[in-house]
Amino acid sequence: AQTVTQSQPEMSVQEAETVTLSCTYDTSESDYYLFWYKQPPSRQMILVIRQEAYKQQNATENRFSVNFQKAAKSFSLKISDSQLGDAAMYFCAYRSGRSGGSNYKLTFGKGTLLTVNP
Amino acid sequence: KAGVTQTPRYLIKTRGQQVTLSCSPISGHRSVSWYQQTPGQGLQFLFEYFSETQRNKGNFPGRFSGRQFSNSRSEMNVSTLELGDSALYLCASSPGPDRTSYGYTFGSGTRLTVV
Repeated sequence: AQTVTQSQPEMSVQEAETVTLSCTYDTSESDYYLFWYKQPPSRQMILVIRQEAYKQQNATENRFSVNFQKAAKSFSLKISDSQLGDAAMYFCAYRSGRSGGSNYKLTFGKGTLLTVNP
Repeated sequence: KAGVTQTPRYLIKTRGQQVTLSCSPISGHRSVSWYQQTPGQGLQFLFEYFSETQRNKGNFPGRFSGRQFSNSRSEMNVSTLELGDSALYLCASSPGPDRTSYGYTFGSGTRLTVV
């Protein structure tokens, strides 16, 4: 079974600075997808960025980028020019690329609570 | 385009009762998944439906069940509620099995409190 580990329960960053959230995962598969979700106090999980394992290039969405190290099974999220609205719980998630019943789900890490200080 | 709609937002039930939660996916999305979120266990997968068929089920007791209707709306039911069932229940929709890379869109959840 796949596992996702987020080793930083809490992180803080000053407004306008850069912060990196860590995520590692364990899998024997070669085809999979990785996601970062953000959950603000409103509770809704919002997709921040996605990465397909077969793509070498790291995904980027505006101020958000990832460092995907497939061999090391590492998938960190970098937030540049941090804003107050970035404060939230961030979850790393894994989804198998295989078809078949047991693969139709997301496996989440425990999350990292990000605080942005003005 | 309307997002994923979950009703109700909040629910308080007594131990032993049963509860039904509802989820309407994004229009055109045919896959609906359910997750339970608690402070202790984090986010845990409950089940996933596609075209009215349950394709995957998480490690939860049989008191947890669900179904999906022909319009892709989904319901989950918890019978004989226990205090430990208190949680945020999140529903997620996705287009279908061939577009997994697009990720899942979540609703705002139903906060269930069992007293």
